[in-house]
Amino acid sequence: DAGVIQSPRHEVTEMGQEVTLRCKPISGHNSLFWYRQTMMRGLELLIYFNNNVPIDDSGMPEDRFSAKMPNASFSTLKIQPSEPRDSAVYFCASSLAGNSNQPQHFGDGTRLSIL
Amino acid sequence: DQQVKQNSPSLSVQEGRISILNCDYTNSMFDYFLWYKKYPAEGPTFLISISSIKDKNEDGRFTVFLNKSAKHLSLHIVPSQPGDSAVYFCAAQSDGNQFYFGTGTSLTVIP
Repeated sequence: DAGVIQSPRHEVTEMGQEVTLRCKPISGHNSLFWYRQTMMRGLELLIYFNNNVPIDDSGMPEDRFSAKMPNASFSTLKIQPSEPRDSAVYFCASSLAGNSNQPQHFGDGTRLSIL
Repeated sequence: DQQVKQNSPSLSVQEGRISILNCDYTNSMFDYFLWYKKYPAEGPTFLISISSIKDKNEDGRFTVFLNKSAKHLSLHIVPSQPGDSAVYFCAAQSDGNQFYFGTGTSLTVIP
């Protein structure tokens, strides 16, 4: 079974450039989450979607960050302009939301380095 | 503020012995708790979970214990194996979808 697919796996770019991270959730899952992993805060939730609708974006650091989910099989996280402090590993996860508790399934992440 | 805390950043255990990873939470509304395992350069993978109506859930070598009065859960791995060396995250969820993760504990199992 295909899991959550993220691209690119690695991204190195210069400060000020636009960065776009991509995610394909598991087919049939209706919730999608974007996380950033840092040493200090662990897995930090940035935003999550239910049925393609953003539910909570309070974790998005600032206006430079934006996320979209145009359909059930694709989401993007965009940083514009990027800054060195944005360097981190970004994870996408999906789950099947419903009446019973279901775990999230993670992609392998995008390691982002802003020079 | 961190609602889920893992106060031990690292743990070393001899192969064959028990590994105990701990997690504390602050929100009494959490009703679902999970442990994830993460290898380098990979995403976290789901390991085991427990509902707040239970105090123990076992799956092979892995057992999760929940103490609601203390707002504490733990993961026991018996016996520990070198392949268990990874970073372990605990997570909690209340009604709705949002999960709250701890900062992780790096487990090293020494052969």
